[in-house]
Parts: sequence; C-alpha cells; structure tokens
Amino acid sequence: QSVLTQPPSASGTPGQRVTISCSGSSSNIGSNTVNWYQQLPGTAPKLLIYSNNQRPSGVPDRFSGSKSGTSASLAISGLQSEDEADYYCAAWDDSLNGAVFGGGTKLTVL
Amino acid sequence: EVQLVESGGGLVKPGGSLRLSCAASGFTFSSYSMNWVRQAPGKGLEWVSSISSSSSYIYYADSVKGRFTISRDNAKNSLYLQMNSLRAEDTAVYYCARDMELRNWGQGTLVTVSS
Repeated sequence: QSVLTQPPSASGTPGQRVTISCSGSSSNIGSNTVNWYQQLPGTAPKLLIYSNNQRPSGVPDRFSGSKSGTSASLAISGLQSEDEADYYCAAWDDSLNGAVFGGGTKLTVL
Repeated sequence: EVQLVESGGGLVKPGGSLRLSCAASGFTFSSYSMNWVRQAPGKGLEWVSSISSSSSYIYYADSVKGRFTISRDNAKNSLYLQMNSLRAEDTAVYYCARDMELRNWGQGTLVTVSS
C-alpha cells in the first residue's frame, strides 16, 4: 500500500485532456512540494513536473501540475499516443523522513 | 549532459551482499544530494535512500534500514549502495537519481535475490 494514493489507471482519446490525482496527508503533500514522473515502457522514469507545477526544460506545456491542501494533480492536454506511460507522484514525508511515491497510474491512449 | 550509470547488480542468494555503484558525469557531483530508488518487477517505484551533498544527512526507507548503507565519493563522482542481508523482496531494478527532485535518473541495474 503506497503512502500517496493514485488511481491505478486512466485513459483518453487523442486530443483529449486527462487528469491524474494524487492524494496524501499533512506530513507529505500538505507540507512539501510534489513531483511527477513519467515512465515509458521499458525505460527509466523521467521528471515531468517539479515543485508542484514547474516543468523542466524540454517538457511540453501540455503537461501541468497543481496542488491544493493534501492533494495534487497532473493534467495532460492534447493527449498524444506517445503519452501512453506510467505516471507517478512523489513528495517528501516529514514523519517518515523519506520520500514517498504514489502507486502509479497507467495511462492508456485509446 | 547529465549522465548516471549504475553497475554492480546481479544474482545473489538470500542473506548475501552486493554493492551497487553509480558513476556520475556532466554536472558538479559534489553539489547535489543523491538517491537510490528501486522498482520490483511489474511494480511501482520505491524510494530507498538519500544522501546529502557532503554526506552530512542520510536517510533510509524502513524496509532497508539496518541492512543497506548509502555512501558517496565526491572525488570519484560516485554514489554507492552497500546491500547486506538481502531478501527475496529486495529483487528490483535499482536506479540512482540526482537531487531531491530526482531530476535525472540512470538506466538502472537489476538485483535478483534468489536461491
């Protein structure tokens, strides 16, 4: 059971907008920033969003992040087939003194 | 270009030991905290351990505390993970990742614990 809770799956058609939620608690998301990672099949994870809503250089602005209270979300607009991947949220947890991940969300582009 | 290259994975028997290495290049290694993150086959990501830039602060997941030791050699631009008393549930791909945002990742090295 992961400390951060994500839906196991999400789907959308090309061009659609999809959102993936990430729920935590006061000791992690409630008091620290959230990062999101994209893992394409057979590859290492890649940082997609950091500090709740910042995109590293090279990440398309179709990807956006937000945080409110103890929850965060990742939005992908203009869905493309190459967005089909696993997505993970993560944050530092002050109680555990360590980083915690969500269980991951498998995004399928129909 | 930032590069992280893990090595040292392999097959080990339960109770055995293994030392993973991560060779870093393309950035000032001594200025960044570093991390180990693992992924069991078909499973999600699990944070394992973090070490600050000067090794002053070290953190471990409860699942590996007392068995794994993280260290670094800033002169050699290298990160290490000494894994002792290995268990079947430690079987995973182990990634090293740069800084607290896990901004850059290596390709991973597979550790298999099996008799």
